[in-house]
Amino acid sequence: DGGITQSPKYLFRKEGQNVTLSCEQNLNHDAMYWYRQDPGQGLRLIYYSQIVNDFQKGDIAEGYSVSREKKESFPLTVTSAQKNPTAFYLCASSIWSRDTEAFFGQGTRLTVV
Amino acid sequence: DQQVKQNSPSLSVQEGRISILNCDYTNSMFDYFLWYKKYPAEGPTFLISISSIKDKNEDGRFTVFLNKSAKHLSLHIVPSQPGDSAVYFCAARYRSGTYKYIFGTGTRLKVLA
Repeated sequence: DGGITQSPKYLFRKEGQNVTLSCEQNLNHDAMYWYRQDPGQGLRLIYYSQIVNDFQKGDIAEGYSVSREKKESFPLTVTSAQKNPTAFYLCASSIWSRDTEAFFGQGTRLTVV
Repeated sequence: DQQVKQNSPSLSVQEGRISILNCDYTNSMFDYFLWYKKYPAEGPTFLISISSIKDKNEDGRFTVFLNKSAKHLSLHIVPSQPGDSAVYFCAARYRSGTYKYIFGTGTRLKVLA
């Protein structure tokens, strides 16, 4: 079945460590996105990518980095520079055309201990 | 600056009645609007959408209305069912290089049996 897979579902990190969240899609979608969800703040865009080897900063990119070496993969690294990394992270993808929705993965809950 | 606003954090409705969820936006460049349903610790699932050239779209019990002059979007659920209880996110899309999806803060709907 086609879809978006995020792994792991739960992740614990020690303060000061970098951690990478995985996102893989087999929908053959061009665009991919990373969002962060915090209580009462909805989904905020971290990074997005239209094509391989190209990505853009979203509204809250500080402390995060991404890569897009393959069409199906868009990993997100939460660096030690991110001041409040504990959150629920969501990856999404969409077709590059009008009038289409973004499809989401099941999310990764990151907790800094 | 919140471009997509959902001013009601929560809503309770009796089973069988109509649920009306509201959303306001500020960016005139939005060309496509969507509603997503979300359960805790899961990714959002697409519910219904509407293009900016239309004012109504219907899918079963779900109808979305768009008032462009007022920059207002609403989702009607009739009749409401207990299984509809979830957080509903309004989203809007515009093109900035690739398409960007901007989300509201969500409305928690509780349908009472």
